Amino acid sequence: DTAVSQTPKYLVTQMGNDKSIKCEQNLGHDTMYWYKQDSKKFLKIMFSYNNKELIINETVPNRFSPKSPDKAHLNLHINSLELGDSAVYFCASRRDYSYEQYFGPGTRLTVT
Amino acid sequence: AQTVTQSQPEMSVQEAETVTLSCTYDTSESDYYLFWYKQPPSRQMILVIRQEAYKQQNATENRFSVNFQKAAKSFSLKISDSQLGDAAMYFCAYRSANQAGTALIFGKGTTLSVSS
Repeated sequence: DTAVSQTPKYLVTQMGNDKSIKCEQNLGHDTMYWYKQDSKKFLKIMFSYNNKELIINETVPNRFSPKSPDKAHLNLHINSLELGDSAVYFCASRRDYSYEQYFGPGTRLTVT
Repeated sequence: AQTVTQSQPEMSVQEAETVTLSCTYDTSESDYYLFWYKQPPSRQMILVIRQEAYKQQNATENRFSVNFQKAAKSFSLKISDSQLGDAAMYFCAYRSANQAGTALIFGKGTTLSVSS
């Protein structure tokens, strides 16, 4: 059973489109995250939610909007996609007071 | 703000040899965790080893061990008896232990190649 799943794994779209990436965890974890890995492989936190409450909202364009309908899901919606949004987006989750984050397989977004 | 620095963009090692990857970090916090993650070409993020800042003893997981120097803010990873499957990108990461919802802060990574 997949612990943290993301859909889709690959996403190719054109500039200006709106797209969503979905994340689900079946671990009962309290905190979920979105990280972005750019073309140079640098990983950076974008958002974190703890029990559906937004905790971290790093300096990302407001075209990016996370939505957490429940503790097990954290979706990422991106409006008006730009070339620079091309990256791999990782979802992750963690139980409170636990050290390990579990990562999803990543979604490679390509904007043409 | 906390930062993590990996000064070696690339490293290489021969099979069965030992290699050490360097990591330094900057923080004013006293309670935190440090991690090494492995990212093979499959891009899956795999936790290799972790260290709690309050523990003086260096963490060890099979062939992987760390040298944690808290005063120097240094956290290096030693891979012994290197195997072809160790070839990957390795990320050093920091996380505050103080709050719920805190995230990993990553270094820029070190690409490790292993030759036979």
